[in-house]
Amino acid sequence: EVQLVQSGAEVKKPGESLKISCKGSGYSFTSYWIGWVRQMPGKGLEWMGIIYPGDSDTRYSPSFQGQVTISADKSISTAYLQWSSLKASDTAMYYCARCSGGSCQADYWGQGTLVTVSS
Amino acid sequence: QSVLTQPPSVSGAPGQRVTISCTGSSSNIGAGYDVHWYQQLPGTAPKLLIYGNDNRPSGVPDRFSGSKSGTSASLAITGLQAEDEADYYCQTYDTTLSGRVFGAGTTQTLL
Repeated sequence: EVQLVQSGAEVKKPGESLKISCKGSGYSFTSYWIGWVRQMPGKGLEWMGIIYPGDSDTRYSPSFQGQVTISADKSISTAYLQWSSLKASDTAMYYCARCSGGSCQADYWGQGTLVTVSS
Repeated sequence: QSVLTQPPSVSGAPGQRVTISCTGSSSNIGAGYDVHWYQQLPGTAPKLLIYGNDNRPSGVPDRFSGSKSGTSASLAITGLQAEDEADYYCQTYDTTLSGRVFGAGTTQTLL
């Protein structure tokens, strides 16, 4: 069974750093792109970027380039999303999702990680 | 402001048919990129509903169907049920943004 299990909810202060994780199982982790999606409170889905764990090829959506870092450790089948200096506006639910097919449909999703940034 | 335009909300009575449109441009849907649709029930992660314009993943009822024409795509739901009350998002690739994009989402409610 394909599963993506994300790390737990985080409460941070502005300016702090953070790294959240997404562990894949039940499939070949190195053979599928993993995407990260942001959902701010009461808002829609925003595609942040994707990574191919097989070779760590990473693509960022323009709005998120330079704002976050996406990485992966294929030895433990885990993808990461990190911030070096959080802002209150980073408060959101973050989902990871597995991309399938040539057009990257997100066929399996993690349960989401809620990040709250507040002083 | 998404490059894919969806109506903010649609509604229908139980058993009726509703459609949700997703209007793009020549840099995304019109460029031939596949459109996918997701359903997000309240408080849960999104779920893939339609992929590659008109394909249903295993387990998705055939009450859900997708289509694409020109610079637009549509999701149709027939035989509306209470459990269909959710947010629906279209998604494709945009060449101008060089990335994947979602529509702003449509909330489907039962009358």
